[in-house]
Amino acid sequence: KAGVTQTPRYLIKTRGQQVTLSCSPISGHRSVSWYQQTPGQGLQFLFEYFSETQRNKGNFPGRFSGRQFSNSRSEMNVSTLELGDSALYLCASSPAAGTGSYEQYFGPGTRLTVT
Amino acid sequence: DQQVKQNSPSLSVQEGRISILNCDYTNSMFDYFLWYKKYPAEGPTFLISISSIKDKNEDGRFTVFLNKSAKHLSLHIVPSQPGDSAVYFCAASRGGSNYKLTFGKGTLLTVNP
Repeated sequence: KAGVTQTPRYLIKTRGQQVTLSCSPISGHRSVSWYQQTPGQGLQFLFEYFSETQRNKGNFPGRFSGRQFSNSRSEMNVSTLELGDSALYLCASSPAAGTGSYEQYFGPGTRLTVT
Repeated sequence: DQQVKQNSPSLSVQEGRISILNCDYTNSMFDYFLWYKKYPAEGPTFLISISSIKDKNEDGRFTVFLNKSAKHLSLHIVPSQPGDSAVYFCAASRGGSNYKLTFGKGTLLTVNP
């Protein structure tokens, strides 16, 4: 099976702009989660989507939003970018719920730089 | 409040020896624990996991031990290989319908030939 793919891999934006990142999960995986990785805070959970619904949410401001489509593909959006939003954004997918396992499989990430 | 802690930022071992990476957690609601390996410029790669109903899980060279009373888990790699050099993250989940993973800050493992 193909792994989790994320586009674009690198992005440079200006403060105040908005950005949309895309994630395609492993085929058959219905849960998609997003994480932010920074040197200071490490890996932090943003949100998780399952069957097009946001099921879990981390402690990030409302500028961070996401959605999931019927084919399980997901996008996350950051509006009014701040310098502190510069980070590696990682998408992860999980098999269908009810399996009793919580392994998440990560994509390569999108490196966002805000100038 | 850091709920998952990896107190050793780095660890260096000789090839062929055992690597032991440690992780402590504070939230007693955590029910499932995972270890990931990460190379620079790549996403984390899942290694091994353990449910709170077990105290040990093995997969090839990797073994995870869980001590619930001490809220402590460890990852043993035997024998260590130079290709194992990477950052290792411990993560925890509350289980149920909660797929949020809480990560530690990671331990950089260097395996010297």
